[in-house]
Order: sequence, then C-alpha cells, then structure tokens
Amino acid sequence: DQQVKQNSPSLSVQEGRISILNCDYTNSMFDYFLWYKKYPAEGPTFLISISSIKDKNEDGRFTVFLNKSAKHLSLHIVPSQPGDSAVYFCAATRSNNAGNMLTFGGGTRLMVKP
Amino acid sequence: EAGVVQSPRYKIIEKKQPVAFWCNPISGHNTLYWYRQNLGQGPELLIRYENEEAVDDSQLPKDRFSAERLKGVDSTLKIQPAELGDSAVYLCASSFRTLGYEQYFGPGTRLTVT
Repeated sequence: DQQVKQNSPSLSVQEGRISILNCDYTNSMFDYFLWYKKYPAEGPTFLISISSIKDKNEDGRFTVFLNKSAKHLSLHIVPSQPGDSAVYFCAATRSNNAGNMLTFGGGTRLMVKP
Repeated sequence: EAGVVQSPRYKIIEKKQPVAFWCNPISGHNTLYWYRQNLGQGPELLIRYENEEAVDDSQLPKDRFSAERLKGVDSTLKIQPAELGDSAVYLCASSFRTLGYEQYFGPGTRLTVT
C-alpha cells in the first residue's frame, strides 16, 4: 500500500513558465513533508519542506502548498529554468517518530524546455 | 563539509555472486540509512542505524542481505548471493535529529546483476 503517491510520472514545461508537481498521501499521521530533487547519477538532495501547522512555505522560486483536508501537497516552481530538469520526490514523516523515517513517493520527472 | 560518500559507484556481477557496498556518512550524523531504489520508483528503506545499533531492519531481506556499522560511523551493506531482482540503486543517507527531518544522501551504487 503506497502511502505517498505522485501520480504524474513526468511533466514538461516551457522555460519561464510555472511548474506544478503534485503529491498525495493517505496516512493522516504524517505531519511533515519534504521535497527532494534528483539529478541522474546523483543522490536526492533536499529542496524544501513544510510542517502541517502551515499551509504554505516559500523559498525563492520554490513554494510548497499543503492541503491537509485533501491530504495533498504541491510544489510550485516559478519561473522554471532548464536547470530545474530533474526527478522530484515528495516524502512524508511523523514528527514524533524516532529516526526521521521518511516515506517517499515514486517521483515525477520534470523537463523544462528552453 | 564533505557529503555522504559511497563506493563503488557502479557494480556489475553475475547472479549468485556476493557484493558489498560501503558508506561513510556526514561527520557527526548519528543516524544512517540504507535505501534501495528500483527504476522509476522512490527510495525504500532497508535498514536504519542509530549509532552502531540497527533499530529498524524490518524491510531488509535477511536471508541474503546483511549490514553492519562498526564504531557507529562507516557502514557496509552486503548481498550474498545476489539475484537478478537485486538490480537497483542502493542509496546511503545520514541525518542528525536535532538538525531537522532532512536526510542527506550519497550518490548511490548502481548494481546490475546479470
């Protein structure tokens, strides 16, 4: 049973436009969410996170929105740049769990066309 | 600050052969994780260490996989014997609880079993 799902395996966006990556979760115990970015032949790198006490967190061109009632979060990248082309994973955890256990979604491959 | 180091980066072996992966976490990070990432999927946790103690190994196929983290620093993950289905990227990550929920990943070892 996949507790974190990214239903779009790929997304193609024109440079300068907005990229919106979506993630759904089923476990209502999750209260902290993270987005990771992965380039080929590299490990995932942390991008941005959000606690369930917030509904939005912004860092430069990246904004994560959380809709707890819908168990849905999204990552917005504005404006998109060719260097943003990568696989994006959302991950979720319970803040009271020992060891920072993360459950990952399957990833969305973003392609930003020049 | 040096990141998580993994070796080898790539390994090709025949089925039924043994293989070992090595990980050196970020200095001072007491928690170490081993993940397996199959093609087109997100990372899945195999085992988690708190210092030198394996505190969560429920997803580790214990009939053929083993891991150790001597002295609470470097870790080794071993497969013996390897099967075709073990072909995947094996990722090591580390974290330090008081720094937040983020985990820091190494570049991974891509294993191909023929």
